[in-house]
Amino acid sequence: KAGVTQTPRYLIKTRGQQVTLSCSPISGHRSVSWYQQTPGQGLQFLFEYFSETQRNKGNFPGRFSGRQFSNSRSEMNVSTLELGDSALYLCASSAGRYNEQFFGPGTRLTVL
Amino acid sequence: AQKVTQAQTEISVVEKEDVTLDCVYETRDTTYYLFWYKQPPSGELVFLIRRNSFDEQNEISGRYSWNFQKSTSSFNFTITASQVVDSAVYFCALSEGGNAGNMLTFGGGTRLMVKP
Repeated sequence: KAGVTQTPRYLIKTRGQQVTLSCSPISGHRSVSWYQQTPGQGLQFLFEYFSETQRNKGNFPGRFSGRQFSNSRSEMNVSTLELGDSALYLCASSAGRYNEQFFGPGTRLTVL
Repeated sequence: AQKVTQAQTEISVVEKEDVTLDCVYETRDTTYYLFWYKQPPSGELVFLIRRNSFDEQNEISGRYSWNFQKSTSSFNFTITASQVVDSAVYFCALSEGGNAGNMLTFGGGTRLMVKP
């Protein structure tokens, strides 16, 4: 089985712009979660989608949003980028609730 | 609120030494799940183990073993006869039952350096 894939792998944006990141889960997995990793804050949960519905949301501003499509692929969007949004964004998929999550390679976003 | 603490930020050992990575968690739920992940320099998080709160049995997988103790809220990870390829950052994580679903709360991670 193919693993979780994320595109693009690297992105450079400037402040004020918006960005969309994409994640394709492992085939058959319906849950997709997103995490932000920074040196200062570590790994933080952004949100989780299951069957096209947001099931959980972390403590991030409304500039961070996401969605999930009927094929379980997910996108996350960050609007009005700030320097502090520079991070590694990781997507994870899971077969069900409370199961182990499998992570993709991440998208490294740099905001200048 | 749930919390995971990995007090060791960095550990350095020489190859073939045994090393234990500590993890202490806090949660009010009686049903919860604990995980360990490995993050090599490539950046991708690799799943190692999942434990639920009702299963306190220790687990061994090759050179890896895990000690889960509810009495001390700890879920420690031991690598026996460490190898250079074990060098990575290791994360302990917790998810609670109920509506928390797949939301993982991670510890700060322990960077393990294994020197030849």
